[in-house]
Amino acid sequence: SQQGEEDPQALSIQEGENATMNCSYKTSINNLQWYRQNSGRGLVHLILIRSNEREKHSGRLRVTLDTSKKSSSLLITASRAADTASYFCATAQVDTGGFKTIFGAGTRLFVKA
Amino acid sequence: SQTIHQWPATLVQPVGSPLSLECTVEGTSNPNLYWYRQAAGRGLQLLFYSVGIGQISSEVPQNLSASRPQDRQFILSSKKLLLSDSGFYLCAWSVIYPGTGNTEAFFGQGTRLTVV
Repeated sequence: SQQGEEDPQALSIQEGENATMNCSYKTSINNLQWYRQNSGRGLVHLILIRSNEREKHSGRLRVTLDTSKKSSSLLITASRAADTASYFCATAQVDTGGFKTIFGAGTRLFVKA
Repeated sequence: SQTIHQWPATLVQPVGSPLSLECTVEGTSNPNLYWYRQAAGRGLQLLFYSVGIGQISSEVPQNLSASRPQDRQFILSSKKLLLSDSGFYLCAWSVIYPGTGNTEAFFGQGTRLTVV
C-alpha cells in the first residue's frame, strides 16, 4: 500500500470550527508535505515539515510530525467555506537513483457556511 | 523561479486512439519528474517517475508509458486508450536540496482525460 494514509477519509464541519486531519506513513522519511486540491484542479503545496522538526505553522495551518509514531497531523483553525477541498500528505522516500514522493488517498474536507 | 507546464488541461479521446501528454519544467535542472493519476474521488496514484534523461521507473502495470527525451520534459503516452484510462493526470517535479537531502514536490495543474 502507498505511504501517507490520511484519516478521516472525509470530514464535514461548520465554518469557524477547526479541522484536523491525520496522516500515517510506513518508512523513514526526509520530510512530509501537505497539499490541497480543489475539485478538478491541480495540487497546491501547503507546508513542508522536515524530519527533525516537530511542529510548523503557516497562517491558519499547523502541522505536527511525530517520527516515533510515523504520523503527522494538519490542523486548520477557524475554517472557512473556501477551505473546502481534498488534503493530501506526501512523504519523500529514498529510492534507487533518487527520491520519489508518495501520496495518500487524501481527506475530503467540506466546510459548511 | 521554477514553473511547471502541463497541457492540455482537458482532453476527450475515443477508445483506441493514442495519447500524448506533455510536461515541461523551467527554472531548475535535473529534477525528478513524476506522472500521477487520480481517479474521480480517489487519491493519487504514482504512475511513473524519472531521475534523469531516459531513466523511467514504472510503478504500476498499465496501458501507459512515459518518456523523458530532455532533462526538463516528461511525456505520458499510450498507443491505444482504454475507457479505464479516464482520469485526472498530474505531472510533478521534485528537487533535492543539497546538504540536507530534503525534497519538495511541485505539481502542474493537471489534465482531465475522458476516454469515450
